[in-house]
Amino acid sequence: QVQLQESGPGLVKPSETLSLTCTVSGGSISSYYWSWIRQPPGKGLEWIGYIYYSGSTNYNPSLKSRVTISVNTSKNQFSLKLSSVTAADTAVYYCARQAYYYDSSGYPTPDWFDPWGQGTLVTVSS
Amino acid sequence: QSVLTQPPSASGTPGQRVTISCSGSSSNIGSNYVYWYQQLPGTAPKLLIYRNNQRPSGVPDRFSGSKSGTSASLAISGLRSEDEADYYCAAWDDSLSAWVFGGGTKLTLL
Repeated sequence: QVQLQESGPGLVKPSETLSLTCTVSGGSISSYYWSWIRQPPGKGLEWIGYIYYSGSTNYNPSLKSRVTISVNTSKNQFSLKLSSVTAADTAVYYCARQAYYYDSSGYPTPDWFDPWGQGTLVTVSS
Repeated sequence: QSVLTQPPSASGTPGQRVTISCSGSSSNIGSNYVYWYQQLPGTAPKLLIYRNNQRPSGVPDRFSGSKSGTSASLAISGLRSEDEADYYCAAWDDSLSAWVFGGGTKLTLL
């Protein structure tokens, strides 16, 4: 079965760039959408963005100016970069696979998030 | 302030039936599928219901989802201790062009 694992620094300084990688095992990253979602301590979930295996992306408008998601199919990985971080970006960051279905115009439309990685806590502090 | 509105808490006794509501608008729940996720303490969320009322394999039929207009509900029957968790609804929002989540509902067994 497919498993996802996040990796990256657990501590990032304010104004710097947060960088995380999600490694996919037990299946190919080719096909499906791949998302990043975060959860501040004690709070709810916030979708950051997704990348289709072909490389097309879609970001949450609230974070769009600071987010870049990329995919490396040869390594079966996808990555997140979030620039100019502040304390408000402190959160557990999850990666997740998104299934898709074809809508009425034949476009692959993102569907449910499953599975999820275990999550990694990133703290923004000097 | 979450785009989708859920009650912050819900409770029930073992064996009881409980429902959790999720209220949205025409740009999200009103025009797209609703999904439900269960997050046990200290773990990642897990898919519970997809496309309004479909259960993934392995999810007990005690869990059911429904949608009407711009609102959705998750029902859990025959409450068990292992159902104590946070529950989140989610949907695509056409106006925001983003996936949106409810604020989460913490289910407590009395």
